Amino acid sequence: NAGVTQTPKFQVLKTGQSMTLQCAQDMNHEYMSWYRQDPGMGLRLIHYSVGAGITDQGEVPNGYNVSRSTTEDFPLRLLSAAPSQTSVYFCASSLRTGQKVHTGELFFGEGSRLTVL
Amino acid sequence: EDQVTQSPEALRLQEGESSSLNCSYTVSGLRGLFWYRQDPGKGPEFLFTLYSAGEEKEKERLKATLTKKESFLHITAPKPEDSATYLCAVQAVDSSYKLIFGSGTRLLVRP
Repeated sequence: NAGVTQTPKFQVLKTGQSMTLQCAQDMNHEYMSWYRQDPGMGLRLIHYSVGAGITDQGEVPNGYNVSRSTTEDFPLRLLSAAPSQTSVYFCASSLRTGQKVHTGELFFGEGSRLTVL
Repeated sequence: EDQVTQSPEALRLQEGESSSLNCSYTVSGLRGLFWYRQDPGKGPEFLFTLYSAGEEKEKERLKATLTKKESFLHITAPKPEDSATYLCAVQAVDSSYKLIFGSGTRLLVRP
């Protein structure tokens, strides 16, 4: 099994550019999420989804959009990149156990390292 | 505010030298506490789930314990391959759609 696959692994953008980080999982997980990881800080939730057609905001959603048209895919869009969005982005999925509840056992991708100049 | 604090930030051990990592948490209602391992350049990998005070989980040289305010990850006779960053996270009852992560403890085990 591939698990959670993220692309690209590395990306450099200029301020104001837009791009999409791709995430796909093959475990039939209903819950998918995007986190960002910055030095000295814990992983912070950007957006999450509990199933196809359902998305919601996490702790730090500003500047990002998501959509969930299929169970497998959960892309993250940066609308107008800013230097503050320089970070490592992780997509993670899990089994859903309730309306907005997951098991806590998250399966992470390998990360997408984004630099905004 | 729900919060997770891990200590120490970094730990250097000799191979075979046992030690413990600490995770202190403040949460309105704990649904679960989780330990993850993260290798450089990789995504976190799930290790343990603890649900209630007094619970313990073991896996090879690692043992996780839980009290009402903190969790410990005990590493017995570590090997160089145990070198990684260990992350602690909590899931609160009233915000169970997310995990709240600590900033991690970087462990280096020297041969």
